Amino acid sequence: KAGVTQTPRYLIKTRGQQVTLSCSPISGHRSVSWYQQTPGQGLQFLFEYFSETQRNKGNFPGRFSGRQFSNSRSEMNVSTLELGDSALYLCASSLGGRAIPYSTDTQYFGPGTRLTVL
Amino acid sequence: AQSVTQLGSHVSVSEGALVLLRCNYSSSVPPYLFWYVQYPNQGLQLLLKYTTGATLVKGINGFEAEFKKSETSFHLTKPSAHMSDAAEYFCAVSDDITNFGNEKLTFGTGTRLTIIP
Repeated sequence: KAGVTQTPRYLIKTRGQQVTLSCSPISGHRSVSWYQQTPGQGLQFLFEYFSETQRNKGNFPGRFSGRQFSNSRSEMNVSTLELGDSALYLCASSLGGRAIPYSTDTQYFGPGTRLTVL
Repeated sequence: AQSVTQLGSHVSVSEGALVLLRCNYSSSVPPYLFWYVQYPNQGLQLLLKYTTGATLVKGINGFEAEFKKSETSFHLTKPSAHMSDAAEYFCAVSDDITNFGNEKLTFGTGTRLTIIP
């Protein structure tokens, strides 16, 4: 079974630009979560999508947005990039459904997309 | 609000020695607790998790953790360190279970484990 894949793996952008990152979850997984990892702030939750709907949201500005498609693939977009947006962006997938007992579900993480903003 | 504190951003142990990585949490409801490992240039891999039931949880690669409610701790241990254990380890908590959620994790700042040959 293929794992969570993220594209691209590395990205360099300049301030003011926008960027779109992609995440393909494990087959059958319907929940996709996004995290930002930086040396200063550590791992922080961005948002989570399930069945094309945002279910959870972290404390990030509106420049950070996401969406999920009917095949559960997800994208996140960052507009008007700032230097502080340089980070490793991690995507995680899980079954996430109401019928799945919480205790048996697990998030599986992708390798991340490393974004550098110059 | 939930939070996680990992004591020691860097821990060094000799190969074959006991590994002990500390994690304390704060949560207003019974928490679900996790340990993840991250190898260089890779994503996170789940080592183990505590949800309910037995407080001693065994995970992959010989790691285990014990949930101690009275101490609000969930320390990670391994009896004998191996060179391949060198990585960064993250403790995480989730109490957002009302919204179908194991999807919103709060992570600690991580502990980098170095193994001395």
